[in-house]
Amino acid sequence: GAGVSQSPSNKVTEKGKDVELRCDPISGHTALYWYRQSLGQGLEFLIYFQGNSAPDKSGLPSDRFSAERTGGSVSTLTIQRTQQEDSAVYLCASSPVPFPGQGKNEQFFGPGTRLTVL
Amino acid sequence: KNEVEQSPQNLTAQEGEFITINCSYSVGISALHWLQQHPGGGIVSLFMLSSGKKKHGRLIATINIQEKHSSLHITASHPRDSAVYICAATGNQFYFGTGTSLTVIP
Repeated sequence: GAGVSQSPSNKVTEKGKDVELRCDPISGHTALYWYRQSLGQGLEFLIYFQGNSAPDKSGLPSDRFSAERTGGSVSTLTIQRTQQEDSAVYLCASSPVPFPGQGKNEQFFGPGTRLTVL
Repeated sequence: KNEVEQSPQNLTAQEGEFITINCSYSVGISALHWLQQHPGGGIVSLFMLSSGKKKHGRLIATINIQEKHSSLHITASHPRDSAVYICAATGNQFYFGTGTSLTVIP
């Protein structure tokens, strides 16, 4: 496909369970970002991957959150022992150039995964 | 205080009106983004700019680096422009405004 894809589109889980969210960035994009948007809230940065460099994890809200990016392409965001406050839309974006920078680091967003923790 | 402030929070306009959404930021940035979030939740990047002005169709974005201020203008607004518009500043970190909810009435 031409755009960023995410799966699943919706995920309902029980409190305490682990979940995995997947992001397929645009082919050739070296930068990948995860954000979340809680109900009625703005966007919140979670984590940033650039190529094979160590990711910027400064936005992860707790050690229950982790993410990996395999082969510089697909990324998985894992939330362990989910809590109700983890309910949100999780958005992935990719960019053709590294962040930060003066280059054209326009981000292309995926459709998001709506996570509901019961 | 948020690093990025947007105004207004909510805006209702009649079809055809000229619309301006403002964004002020208090941090050093390398770029400023305007994002559009549709009612279904999908986000589209409208502009990424670091200086001057950009135009795409009926949308115009400007930035004044000295004043740390950016504006998004929509000319001849249309109901399909109804969405949440988000200002995002990228410096050493990501900073997002809380969004402006725009409703254009036919």
